[in-house]
Amino acid sequence: AQSVTQLDSHVSVSEGTPVLLRCNYSSSYSPSLFWYVQHPNKGLQLLLKYTSAATLVKGINGFEAEFKKSETSFHLTKPSAHMSDAAEYFCAVSVPYSSASKIIFGSGTRLSIRP
Amino acid sequence: DSGVTQTPKHLITATGQRVTLRCSPRSGDLSVYWYQQSLDQGLQFLIQYYNGEERAKGNILERFSAQQFPDLHSELNLSSLELGDSALYFCASSGEARSEQFFGPGTRLTVL
Repeated sequence: AQSVTQLDSHVSVSEGTPVLLRCNYSSSYSPSLFWYVQHPNKGLQLLLKYTSAATLVKGINGFEAEFKKSETSFHLTKPSAHMSDAAEYFCAVSVPYSSASKIIFGSGTRLSIRP
Repeated sequence: DSGVTQTPKHLITATGQRVTLRCSPRSGDLSVYWYQQSLDQGLQFLIQYYNGEERAKGNILERFSAQQFPDLHSELNLSSLELGDSALYFCASSGEARSEQFFGPGTRLTVL
C-alpha cells in the first residue's frame, strides 16, 4: 500500500537559515511524489513533483527535493528561509490506477520562520 | 491561480441544514477530487469522479454525496449538517494518470 510519513509536525527555523522538511514514503510502484504548500486560509499549491526523471527536483520559490530510493525518502530543502515561507507543507504520493490518479497526503509539517 | 474554481468561498448555516458546494475543474481535466480539511482530522480525501463517473471513495459520510456533470463541473452535497462538519472543503482536478492535482481555493463551511 502507498503511504507517506512526514516526520515532523512542526519545524521552526530562523530567517536566512536552511530549511529541511522530512518525508518518507511507501509505494509498491515506482512512485510519483509531490510537495504542496498551503498558506493560511488558502488552497494547496504544488511546489514540485518527482516522476522518475532526475532525482533532484527543483521547485518554485527556491525549494528542491531529492528522491532517495534506498532511503525511501523525499525530503524538501531550501538553502535560506524567508519569512514568506511560513506555511503548512504536505508531502504526497500518487497512486496510479485506471485512467486517473489518487494522491495520498501526509499529515503536514507546519513551518515557522523566526525573524 | 490553479485554474480550479470553487463557489461559494464562505458558507454559514445551521445544524440539520443541507448545502451544495460547487467546483469547476481546470480546462481539459477529467478528474475531480473532493477533500475535507479540519483542524483535528487534517486533509481527508472524500471522493473522486472521472468523466462523470465515481472512481474512488475515501472517508465520505453517508450524509454527503457528490456528482460530476457532463460539462465536468462537480457538486458536493452535504446534508443533515452537524457542528463537526465545519471545515474547509477543497476541490482538485487532474489530467491523465499519475499527474499532480491542482487545488481550488476552497469553501469554508461553518455550521452553527
